[in-house]
Amino acid sequence: GQNIDQPTEMTATEGAIVQINCTYQTSGFNGLFWYQQHAGEAPTFLSYNVLDGLEEKGRFSSFLSRSKGYSYLLLKELQMKDSASYLCAVRADQAGTALIFGKGTTLSVSS
Amino acid sequence: DAGVTQSPTHLIKTRGQQVTLRCSPKSGHDTVSWYQQALGQGPQFIFQYYEEEERQRGNFPDRFSGHQFPNYSSELNVNALLLGDSALYLCASNDDTNTEAFFGQGTRLTVV
Repeated sequence: GQNIDQPTEMTATEGAIVQINCTYQTSGFNGLFWYQQHAGEAPTFLSYNVLDGLEEKGRFSSFLSRSKGYSYLLLKELQMKDSASYLCAVRADQAGTALIFGKGTTLSVSS
Repeated sequence: DAGVTQSPTHLIKTRGQQVTLRCSPKSGHDTVSWYQQALGQGPQFIFQYYEEEERQRGNFPDRFSGHQFPNYSSELNVNALLLGDSALYLCASNDDTNTEAFFGQGTRLTVV
């Protein structure tokens, strides 16, 4: 079966750094995605990893270890607007096909 | 660029009724996927359309069907609605050379 696990909730304070972990067990692997979703809105793309290592994009970084079936999303210099759900998703097949999502991690940032 | 657009934004239906949701993909995208997102859950893949054919299907009953038109827009149809079909229905588009899927704002379906 396909399984993606991430913590349900996390809290942090403004200016801090938070790491959201994701582990996956899927029949195949062709990329891991992180999306941000504010309440009542569409998911928006944050990052994509297909090879092992760290991808950095401004305040956001994402890491992948394919041998461990593990990824994390690192958010630096947290802002109140970062309060949202963060979705880890795996493309288990060739490019252009379905994404398998985890249940999402709700991050609450307080002042 | 309008991005991915979905209609309607909200919908209330009665058990047993049928519903059609619509999606226009981002310009230049030829692949459309539909997802169901229940409250507090991640999106679940329903099916994907490419070149007007259903290319892949998730674990959803036959009550869920779809269509893709020559202009790449798509419809999701759900028959014999159940209370459990209440969810946010998301449409995502991409092209086969693009890694990123772009999501529409979704249609909030409530079945009463």
